[in-house]
Amino acid sequence: EAQVTQNPRYLITVTGKKLTVTCSQNMNHEYMSWYRQDPGLGLRQIYYSMNVEVTDKGDVPEGYKVSRKEKRNFPLILESPSPNQTSLYFCASSLPDRGRHEQYFGPGTRLTVT
Amino acid sequence: QQPVQSPQAVILREGEDAVINCSSSKALYSVHWYRQKHGEAPVFLMILLKGGEQKGHDKISASFNEKKQQSSLYLTASQLSYSGTYFCGTEIGGRGSTLGRLYFGRGTQLTVWP
Repeated sequence: EAQVTQNPRYLITVTGKKLTVTCSQNMNHEYMSWYRQDPGLGLRQIYYSMNVEVTDKGDVPEGYKVSRKEKRNFPLILESPSPNQTSLYFCASSLPDRGRHEQYFGPGTRLTVT
Repeated sequence: QQPVQSPQAVILREGEDAVINCSSSKALYSVHWYRQKHGEAPVFLMILLKGGEQKGHDKISASFNEKKQQSSLYLTASQLSYSGTYFCGTEIGGRGSTLGRLYFGRGTQLTVWP
């Protein structure tokens, strides 16, 4: 089944404790992206990757790191999480086909930083 | 850079029509539309590239006016299953184009009652 998977789905952690949220897709998509979703603010892009070893900052990259060492995986790293990073995080991927980024979203990771 | 969506919320009876608008202050390369049901990930509806194209998907269609930097999503004869939050996402075109970088609106909450 074609899908984007994220782990963990739920995470409660403390300020300053490094964490990684994994994202994997099995569709051979070139493009992958991370978003955070906060009430009333919609989706905001954190980082995106057009292909392996190519990553770019989105709208809200501060406090996050990513890497794209292989096509299927795009982990999101929080080196020193803070309470303002409490949010719902989505990973997404797309082919893209002739510039059309039809994105498939993962199920989301709800992160709480205390 | 974040597009502006209007209205913020719509309440309809089954069978009624609705229009959701998305407006940007920047020249656009593409406009994406997604629907998100409560507790779920966003799901792709359609994408429109510059050129003023109009697309349709069942009873949901959209238009893209490149000159006005606006897009509209049309929901015809709404069904209960149309309930959810609709997001538009935009890619900037023209000078300073950054394909792959997506800006999402804050969403329009659509509720369809029987």
